[in-house]
Amino acid sequence: NAGVTQTPKFRVLKTGQSMTLLCAQDMNHEYMYWYRQDPGMGLRLIHYSVGEGTTAKGEVPDGYNVSRLKKQNFLLGLESAAPSQTSVYFCASTEFSGEQFFGPGTRLTVL
Amino acid sequence: AQSVTQPDIHITVSEGASLELRCNYSYGATPYLFWYVQSPGQGLQLLLKYFSGDTLVQGIKGFEAEFKRSQSSFNLRKPSVHWSDAAEYFCAVAPSGAGSYQLTFGKGTKLSVIP
Repeated sequence: NAGVTQTPKFRVLKTGQSMTLLCAQDMNHEYMYWYRQDPGMGLRLIHYSVGEGTTAKGEVPDGYNVSRLKKQNFLLGLESAAPSQTSVYFCASTEFSGEQFFGPGTRLTVL
Repeated sequence: AQSVTQPDIHITVSEGASLELRCNYSYGATPYLFWYVQSPGQGLQLLLKYFSGDTLVQGIKGFEAEFKRSQSSFNLRKPSVHWSDAAEYFCAVAPSGAGSYQLTFGKGTKLSVIP
């Protein structure tokens, strides 16, 4: 099993550009999450999903959108990137246990 | 709202010395409790978790943690640190019982190990 994978691993954007980050999991988990990690801030929840076709806002949702069209995939979109969105983004998934499994992260720089 | 406090931003210990990383949480009921470790440039790996029962839990890599309800704490310990333990450690909580299993993380403690 690959576990949780994220695409791409690195990306540089210019202010105003858009992009989509892809998260895929092969563990048949119902719950999926997107976090951002900034120095000294720990991980903060952006959006999450409790099942296929559902999404909900987390702690820092502004400037991001998500979609969960397939159970195994959770997409994070930036419609108009801003320098404040420079961060490392992590995806995670879990079944009904609370223990989350994390992907390797995507490092995004917005110039 | 629940919160997690890791009072120590950075800790340096000598290889072979004991280690304790502190974690305090604020939550109305006993939450699910976790410790994760992150090596540089990597994702997060679960060290151990507490859901209920025995308040002393054993994890991977020789780590253990003790849940103290009276102190709202879940401190991580290791009796003898190895150089490979140098990493950042995150304490996290999730509401117990059925729900969205959202994790709230502390801001992390960076561990440096002196050979």
